[in-house]
Amino acid sequence: AQSVTQPDIHITVSEGASLELRCNYSYGATPYLFWYVQSPGQGLQLLLKYFSGDTLVQGIKGFEAEFKRSQSSFNLRKPSVHWSDAAEYFCAVGAFNQGGKLIFGQGTELSVKP
Amino acid sequence: DTAVSQTPKYLVTQMGNDKSIKCEQNLGHDTMYWYKQDSKKFLKIMFSYNNKELIINETVPNRFSPKSPDKAHLNLHINSLELGDSAVYFCASSQGSGGRPLEQYFGPGTRLTVT
Repeated sequence: AQSVTQPDIHITVSEGASLELRCNYSYGATPYLFWYVQSPGQGLQLLLKYFSGDTLVQGIKGFEAEFKRSQSSFNLRKPSVHWSDAAEYFCAVGAFNQGGKLIFGQGTELSVKP
Repeated sequence: DTAVSQTPKYLVTQMGNDKSIKCEQNLGHDTMYWYKQDSKKFLKIMFSYNNKELIINETVPNRFSPKSPDKAHLNLHINSLELGDSAVYFCASSQGSGGRPLEQYFGPGTRLTVT
């Protein structure tokens, strides 16, 4: 069965600084990987996804993520964080022929210092 | 136009009551889901429907019963509510894909508080 671990529960960065949120997955076959963002009181919004091909994927709001099969990782990055990026970030993994089921990590809360 | 909508946004009720949450999507998707997000923000799938057929039924008490009258709607009925049912419930939808888990679009959530 697949699983997702986000090692950092809470991260604080200064506005303008770079950001990397970690995500490790466990799955034997090719994973389908996603990053979602949840602002307070809101639903989840898709930032980016990886299915196959180029291991560096670009998403919305200036985010990117890199799939590293050897490290079972799919870390999310942003070169310069804005105060509006403060939110909860979720990594998720899906598998083929499981009815679209996504397994979510426990989330990383991002705070941005002015 | 809202892509995935849920009603109500907030629901406060007493233990033992029965309540329903409604979800509608206007994206033309044929797969819909219910997720539960607990107080620690852990998100877990409960059910999914594809073209009105139940596909995923996770280990959920049978007090929870999903119903899909058509592929644009998925409702969640909860009987005999318990304190532990307090959570945020999210509806989501995705396009069917012949097996691949495509991106899901989430509703705004329904915060259920059982007192």
